[in-house]
Amino acid sequence: SQQGEEDPQALSIQEGENATMNCSYKTSINNLQWYRQNSGRGLVHLILIRSNEREKHSGRLRVTLDTSKKSSSLLITASRAADTASYFCATALYPYGQNFVFGPGTRLSVLP
Amino acid sequence: SQTIHQWPATLVQPVGSPLSLECTVEGTSNPNLYWYRQAAGRGLQLLFYSVGIGQISSEVPQNLSASRPQDRQFILSSKKLLLSDSGFYLCAWKTGSGVCYFGPGTRLLVL
Repeated sequence: SQQGEEDPQALSIQEGENATMNCSYKTSINNLQWYRQNSGRGLVHLILIRSNEREKHSGRLRVTLDTSKKSSSLLITASRAADTASYFCATALYPYGQNFVFGPGTRLSVLP
Repeated sequence: SQTIHQWPATLVQPVGSPLSLECTVEGTSNPNLYWYRQAAGRGLQLLFYSVGIGQISSEVPQNLSASRPQDRQFILSSKKLLLSDSGFYLCAWKTGSGVCYFGPGTRLLVL
């Protein structure tokens, strides 16, 4: 199976609610990143968390990393309809390697 | 600021025809460049990466090839397309801090 796998595959919530997505990986990493993709577009970088960090914030985004469980979560607070997109986690493997592994993504739908 | 361009945006090609997708980067030098393919509703599969002119590493054996004729140009090619080559092709460059910036993508449909 893949290095990075998001959970759930799809998530549907009401505007204003919080959305939580999880990512699990298998091998040691240098860092873990979350990206967003609007339908039919390229991916946009959201946030990077290094292997020695446990939590990071950026606006309405909160990312946690648990290296002992090889997992990360992305929390979007006070969601908006514009947050509707697919969200991917990506891991940069340790030691530094060129392969940057993406999971299959979580499709988030925020209903107005 | 850095910008990454891809063209064409969409492409419909018959099986057996050749392919050439181009990616160019502005605002940086000696970038690490990547080609990814995304099947409909799926994650990204790394196809090729390049750390410099003429240096290509292939992650997945297939009928595609890549070339890097100039520092900021990365080309994805095929001599004969297969139906399974249909997908969304994304070019990306990775900064020294490890963040990837993606182009807008090329949607390829092989009929």
